[in-house]
Parts: sequence; C-alpha cells; structure tokens
Amino acid sequence: DAGVIQSPRHEVTEMGQEVTLRCKPISGHDYLFWYRQTMMRGLELLIYFNNNVPIDDSGMPEDRFSAKMPNASFSTLKIQPSEPRDSAVYFCASSSNLDFRYGYTFGSGTRLTVV
Amino acid sequence: GQQLNQSPQSMFIQEGEDVSMNCTSSSIFNTWLWYKQEPGEGPVLLIALYKAGELTSNGRLTAQFGITRKDSFLNISASIPSDVGIYFCAGRDQGAQKLVFGQGTRLTINP
Repeated sequence: DAGVIQSPRHEVTEMGQEVTLRCKPISGHDYLFWYRQTMMRGLELLIYFNNNVPIDDSGMPEDRFSAKMPNASFSTLKIQPSEPRDSAVYFCASSSNLDFRYGYTFGSGTRLTVV
Repeated sequence: GQQLNQSPQSMFIQEGEDVSMNCTSSSIFNTWLWYKQEPGEGPVLLIALYKAGELTSNGRLTAQFGITRKDSFLNISASIPSDVGIYFCAGRDQGAQKLVFGQGTRLTINP
C-alpha cells in the first residue's frame, strides 16, 4: 500500500487566497483525521471523519476552514480566505476501526505558507 | 479536556548515550502510543502499549505503560545519529476514536 497520500507537499499563497489541501487515505481505512502542526501549538486535531461522515469538527479554528470527504478515498481541507497565521504543516491520517489499537497512519504533510 | 504533558521538550545528547522521556496525563488512558517524526515527514508509530504495567521493546527502544495508567515512558539505548527527530506520546480512552498527543520531545544528537 502506498500509505496516506497528501498533496501538494508545499503550498505558498498570498493572504486572502483560497487554499485546498488534499488527502487520499489508505484503502480500507474508515477513519480520516486532519491535523495542523505548529511550533507553538504542536499537533492539533482539526476534524475527523468516520465512513465519510464528519464526527467531530470542534478543532476547526473558524469558519474560514472547511473539510469534506465526498468518498472513501478522498478528502479536502479548504481555507478561504487564507491568512498568514494559517501557515503550518497540515497532516492527514487514517485508521481502520478493526486495527484502531495501532493508532493512525500519517501522510507526509502539506507545508502551507501564507504571505 | 484531556491534556498530555511530555518532557523534556528538547534533549541534546552525545552519540551513544541513553535517552529517557516521559508523558503524563490528567486522566486515565487505556492505550499509550509513541511516535517519531523525522524532518519533512509525518509521525510514524514506534511502540503501542495496551495494559497498565506493560513493558514493550522495539530494538533499542523500550516503552512502559505506567501502573497508574496516567503516564508512559520511552527509553532509547545507545543513541545513534538516525535517532534524531521529534518523539510524540499519544493516549486514548477506551472506546474513544481520538488520540490525544503530547507536545513532543525534540532529540538532537552530537556525533
């Protein structure tokens, strides 16, 4: 298996622009998580899905952030409009309910820079 | 909400030294996990612990699930340059889907 695939790996955008981050979970995994990592706040859970349905979005910072999972093999995290304070590394992770005891498998992340 | 306190925040050691780091929780967990993150990559699972008192090894790494179920420890013996990275602890309640992560311990090794 190719693991969790995120794209793009790096994104530089201007303040006010829309940014879309993409994730392809491991095939057969029914949980998908979006995390944000910064030096100040560490790893923060933004939202997670089970069977494509959002279960907990309490970590989404504000209305500028939205996430979707239209099918089992694809999810997006969108920021509109983007702000410099959104600069961070965004990780997607997936897990199987059957193997949940083994934790999550993370993607390589998208490094977002908003200038 | 649940919080994990991981210490130390950073470590600077000489190659060959042993390393110890720990994680404490404000509440009880049923599962403790230790991850390692290398530069430019996502965290990768190192060791998983499922029972209070459990001691598990993975090569030079040894982790323990504290008896109180509120803490866990990770030891690395005879460190080598490829051990450099950020080590995260994570815990989960029984039945919970979310993992709670510590703030990480950044390990730097001087050759």
